[in-house]
Amino acid sequence: GENVEQHPSTLSVQEGDSAVIKCTYSDSASNYFPWYKQELGKRPQLIIDIRSNVGEKKDQRIAVTLNKTAKHFSLHITETQPEDSAVYFCAASRGDDKIIFGKGTRLHILP
Amino acid sequence: SQTIHQWPATLVQPVGSPLSLECTVEGTSNPNLYWYRQAAGRGLQLLFYSVGIGQISSEVPQNLSASRPQDRQFILSSKKLLLSDSGFYLCAWSGQGATYEKLFFGSGTQLSVL
Repeated sequence: GENVEQHPSTLSVQEGDSAVIKCTYSDSASNYFPWYKQELGKRPQLIIDIRSNVGEKKDQRIAVTLNKTAKHFSLHITETQPEDSAVYFCAASRGDDKIIFGKGTRLHILP
Repeated sequence: SQTIHQWPATLVQPVGSPLSLECTVEGTSNPNLYWYRQAAGRGLQLLFYSVGIGQISSEVPQNLSASRPQDRQFILSSKKLLLSDSGFYLCAWSGQGATYEKLFFGSGTQLSVL
């Protein structure tokens, strides 16, 4: 079955700097790669996703890149702000209704 | 609009006791339903998912079970809880069309097995 590895487990960046979180997946049939953000005490919420027919997608300060050959995808947050502090999860799905998550990255934005 | 209800919010149970967590979705029909468990350092672990009434796929061998007695109702159960069952349990749904594959999570149940 699908296995999603996520790194790093913890990341601290200065406010205003960029943050990058990386994930790899094992199932070459996976074609959908979402990212979820979980703020302290709240439920995870989708922030951006990408499908295998594109290599990059951007939404304001957030971007996701996908390398299907290498089976890895990354989340990029630019100009980080205090409200970006949260746990971020990557996930992968091949469209058979099963969505597998990575173990999460705790992002700290330092003042 | 669609909403998802999950209860209870917190639960403290002794080892060996039964468990029943319930999740219902409103405002949509024929959703895909999921149970995830969030434990420290293990991320969001998929436990069960269902694509229709009575259709349950199990991802992790364990003493938990799931049932879907109605289209928008998903229940997580156990006959005898273990200490290792402690964790944060999240129900989620995904729909059809534009919401396909986008997961919407419930507010979660914090389960402590003592």
